[in-house]
Amino acid sequence: DSGVTQTPKHLITATGQRVTLRCSPRSGDLSVYWYQQSLDQGLQFLIQYYNGEERAKGNILERFSAQQFPDLHSELNLSSLELGDSALYFCASSVDGRQETQYFGPGTRLLVL
Amino acid sequence: GENVEQHPSTLSVQEGDSAVIKCTYSDSASNYFPWYKQELGKGPQLIIDIRSNVGEKKDQRIAVTLNKTAKHFSLHITETQPEDSAVYFCAGGSQGNLIFGKGTKLSVKP
Repeated sequence: DSGVTQTPKHLITATGQRVTLRCSPRSGDLSVYWYQQSLDQGLQFLIQYYNGEERAKGNILERFSAQQFPDLHSELNLSSLELGDSALYFCASSVDGRQETQYFGPGTRLLVL
Repeated sequence: GENVEQHPSTLSVQEGDSAVIKCTYSDSASNYFPWYKQELGKGPQLIIDIRSNVGEKKDQRIAVTLNKTAKHFSLHITETQPEDSAVYFCAGGSQGNLIFGKGTKLSVKP
């Protein structure tokens, strides 16, 4: 158990809908990362937050957004969902977000029908 | 930007044999190289990491080597066991940003 928690574990929704994925980092970690894992693309970095501020952006679509709250939990919002958004979404956390080990949560499996 | 390539994509070994997975990276500024193990239905779990000021690191049956000049690093698992069967990811990066390889599915046959 890495100490990173993610909810929900599974999510099934329809195209065009909007969902919110939630992540709580390990105790003491200030930085949160979001990744998308699909069969053909491996682990794709989406976005990083540090202490409530966006620090780095990867291949995140404009339909996706995220935020980190004062209590350091983070939410990833996915809107106007498409079939291709079906994937595993992982959250990871690290102490300060610089050259530090990232600890991954168990993931949220999203299925868009 | 950084690109990390990982080979092979699948690897099958007999229990007790060694397994080697190789990765290359493109960004010479990368200075942190972790390896993750992902079992079915779980999130990636860090198994070992190495920083650019070190050439080799060992932890029991697992070792990682880094060749900065050639920009490649490798994971070595000795005396493989069936519970080593999983997907292994290498990653490289700096300043907290990691780029992952596409993974190697390791199967250890009893």
